[in-house]
Amino acid sequence: QVQLKESGPGLVQPSQTLSLTCTVSGLSLTSNSVSWIRQPPGKGLEWMGVIWSNGGTDYNSAIKSRLSISRDTSKSQVFLKMNSLQTEDTAMYFCARGSMGIRGWGQGVMVTVSS
Amino acid sequence: DVVLTQSPATLSVTPGERISLSCRASESVDTYLHWYQQKPNESPRLLIKYASQSISGIPSRFSGSGSGTDFTLSINGVELEDLSIYYCQQGNSLPYTFGAGTKLELK
Repeated sequence: QVQLKESGPGLVQPSQTLSLTCTVSGLSLTSNSVSWIRQPPGKGLEWMGVIWSNGGTDYNSAIKSRLSISRDTSKSQVFLKMNSLQTEDTAMYFCARGSMGIRGWGQGVMVTVSS
Repeated sequence: DVVLTQSPATLSVTPGERISLSCRASESVDTYLHWYQQKPNESPRLLIKYASQSISGIPSRFSGSGSGTDFTLSINGVELEDLSIYYCQQGNSLPYTFGAGTKLELK
């Protein structure tokens, strides 16, 4: 059974860096891509970026300069790092299996940017 | 980036009726268009992939159609459990953008 679970701090101060981890089970990161998608409270979904099965990455151009996605295949973990956080980055952050037509989602982790 | 425009933003429905939701792309996405349902405090659930392909475990009342720039998600006989927000996503060109969503509410 495929599972994805996000973890990370619930509160981040403005201008600081957000670090999130997606721990997967039941799938191989060398055979599957993993995306990060976020959703501000009461708003729609924003595709942030993807790490492909070969380790390559692609990012949403709107946040590309602040975002980095990496992985540790030995630990079945995918990482998101985003710097220079602002209040508008407050959102639920999801990791997901694949990049489109996504069937496997994590439960999400709520991140609030506030001092 | 490809912009997906969903309409209407909100649709008031009566149980049992057939409804259609629209997703229009700013440029052709071929059939790389996927539909999701999201209920409050839940992760999205994939309903339809590649514009019209059904997903195992999804009720047959959900169907999709379209190609290029115009797509439709249809629900044949809306049920109360279908009151949710529906999103489309394109996977033709990076970044893989989502539409703003259509909310189904009870009339």
